[in-house]
Amino acid sequence: SAVISQKPSRDICQRGTSLTIQCQVDSQVTMMFWYRQQPGQSLTLIATANQGSEATYESGFVIDKFPISRPNLTFSTLTVSNMSPEDSSIYLCSGMSPYTDTQYFGPGTRLTVL
Amino acid sequence: KQEVTQIPAALSVPEGENLVLNCSFTDSAIYNLQWFRQDPGKGLTSLLLIQSSQREQTSGRLNASLDKSSGRSTLYIAASQPGDSATYLCAVRRPGSARQLTFGSGTQLTVLP
Repeated sequence: SAVISQKPSRDICQRGTSLTIQCQVDSQVTMMFWYRQQPGQSLTLIATANQGSEATYESGFVIDKFPISRPNLTFSTLTVSNMSPEDSSIYLCSGMSPYTDTQYFGPGTRLTVL
Repeated sequence: KQEVTQIPAALSVPEGENLVLNCSFTDSAIYNLQWFRQDPGKGLTSLLLIQSSQREQTSGRLNASLDKSSGRSTLYIAASQPGDSATYLCAVRRPGSARQLTFGSGTQLTVLP
């Protein structure tokens, strides 16, 4: 199974600032995704991170607010820009194994915006 | 648009009981279905994956079934233990190149010692 790590594990940020979350996978995955989990809720897909090209965003999420990079098969970043308290959530990175179609998740980044 | 529902939202059982968690989805055109476990403040751990052509999968005390035509899946946990306490999430993947997961809202399970 793939092991996925994220940095930072948590952060407290001021309104109007930006935070970049890093995601590293220990083996190659075909697809990488970024999810948001708001307090007490289930997971919502933000975007699919595409290697070497622009991410594919879900309805309600835009590149200016959540720029994503994926320079290679095992690394991706998500930036939460111009943060507001409504952005306080857990952000989870995920990768899909090309061999089993199983999707694996990182431990999440708990973001609090004051 | 695919919608995934999990019932019940919360469940509390005494240790040793067998239990069933339910998941239903509105669009039967799925690629596969995956059950996850999430401990408080943590990420998701994959438990079982069922391909659309399969009827069930087993891992230890866990058994997941899939009835694609009726849009239902169940997760059966045998001889529950306090360590099984967590939120259990069901997610379906749609076919095609996108293949994103759509999640249910989860069942919060508490196993009492």
